[in-house]
Amino acid sequence: GQNIDQPTEMTATEGAIVQINCTYQTSGFNGLFWYQQHAGEAPTFLSYNVLDGLEEKGRFSSFLSRSKGYSYLLLKELQMKDSASYLCAVRGLRDSSYKLIFGSGTRLLVRP
Amino acid sequence: KAGVTQTPRYLIKTRGQQVTLSCSPISGHRSVSWYQQTPGQGLQFLFEYFSETQRNKGNFPGRFSGRQFSNSRSEMNVSTLELGDSALYLCASRTRDTQYFGPGTRLTVL
Repeated sequence: GQNIDQPTEMTATEGAIVQINCTYQTSGFNGLFWYQQHAGEAPTFLSYNVLDGLEEKGRFSSFLSRSKGYSYLLLKELQMKDSASYLCAVRGLRDSSYKLIFGSGTRLLVRP
Repeated sequence: KAGVTQTPRYLIKTRGQQVTLSCSPISGHRSVSWYQQTPGQGLQFLFEYFSETQRNKGNFPGRFSGRQFSNSRSEMNVSTLELGDSALYLCASRTRDTQYFGPGTRLTVL
């Protein structure tokens, strides 16, 4: 089967650091993605990992361990505008088709 | 570059009707995927089109169909609408590895 798990909700304080975890079990692996989605809006691309390790992009970093089926998204210097849902998605097929399997999303609330 | 565009943005239909949604990908992108997003099921893959060919299909009934035109624009059609089809329908186009979403069409079935 294919399964992606992430926490339903998290709360953090403005200026702090928060780590959102994602574990996955999929048939084949061809990349892991993180998207941010504000209420009522479309998901926006944050990061892409296909090899093990840490990818850093400004205040956002994403980590992948393929052997553990595990990823996390790290948000530093939290701002109020970071309050949103964060979606973990895996490209599970090894062929040329492009199909993302999404987790249910983690709703992050940033408090002053 | 302009982003992915979808029309209409909002739609209200009644049960039994059919609906057609439209998507224009980012210029130069040849792949278009469609997703359904509901509070209960989250984001679920519907299908992907590349160069006018369906390359993959999610686990949805045959009432859901799509097509892609030679200019990469895509449409999806839902026939015999059911209440449970109420959702945000998202279209996405991609470069080699990264998928970019449009603003979505919010469909309400009454």
